[in-house]
Amino acid sequence: NAGVTQTPKFQVLKTGQSMTLQCAQDMNHEYMSWYRQDPGMGLRLIHYSVGAGITDQGEVPNGYNVSRSTTEDFPLRLLSAAPSQTSVYFCASSYERGSHEQYFGPGTRLTVT
Amino acid sequence: AQSVTQPDIHITVSEGASLELRCNYSYGATPYLFWYVQSPGQGLQLLLKYFSGDTLVQGIKGFEAEFKRSQSSFNLRKPSVHWSDAAEYFCAVTSGAAGNKLTFGGGTRVLVKP
Repeated sequence: NAGVTQTPKFQVLKTGQSMTLQCAQDMNHEYMSWYRQDPGMGLRLIHYSVGAGITDQGEVPNGYNVSRSTTEDFPLRLLSAAPSQTSVYFCASSYERGSHEQYFGPGTRLTVT
Repeated sequence: AQSVTQPDIHITVSEGASLELRCNYSYGATPYLFWYVQSPGQGLQLLLKYFSGDTLVQGIKGFEAEFKRSQSSFNLRKPSVHWSDAAEYFCAVTSGAAGNKLTFGGGTRVLVKP
């Protein structure tokens, strides 16, 4: 199993540009989520999904969209990038809603200039 | 609202010495507690977790943590640190009601001196 994969590893955007961060898992996990990591703030939940077709907002959802058309994929879209979205983004997945233990991808480092 | 506090931003420890990382949480429901480790440029790896039962839990890489409900703490310990333990450590909490939504502390960066 590849586990949780994320692409790209690094990305530089200009303010106002849009892009999609890709996340995929091959473990047949129901639950997937996106976090952003900023220095001194740990990881904060952006959006999450409890299954295909079901998504919900986390702690810091503004400026981001998600969709979950398949069990495997959970892309994160930045509609109009802002410097405040400069961060490291992690995707995570887990077996089911109650299992709680999450598996994290390697992260995407995004810089918005 | 739930919160997790890791009071120490940086800790420097000599190789072979013991290590203790502090974690305090504020949570209305029965907490499920986790410690994750992040090596430079890597994702997060689960070290250990506490859901219920024995309050002293053992994890991977020789780490252990103790849940103290009266102190709202879940401190991580290792008796003898190796150079490869240099990393950032995150404490996180969730609950049955919160599903899999984790609330993380700000992290503690551990430096290991030879």
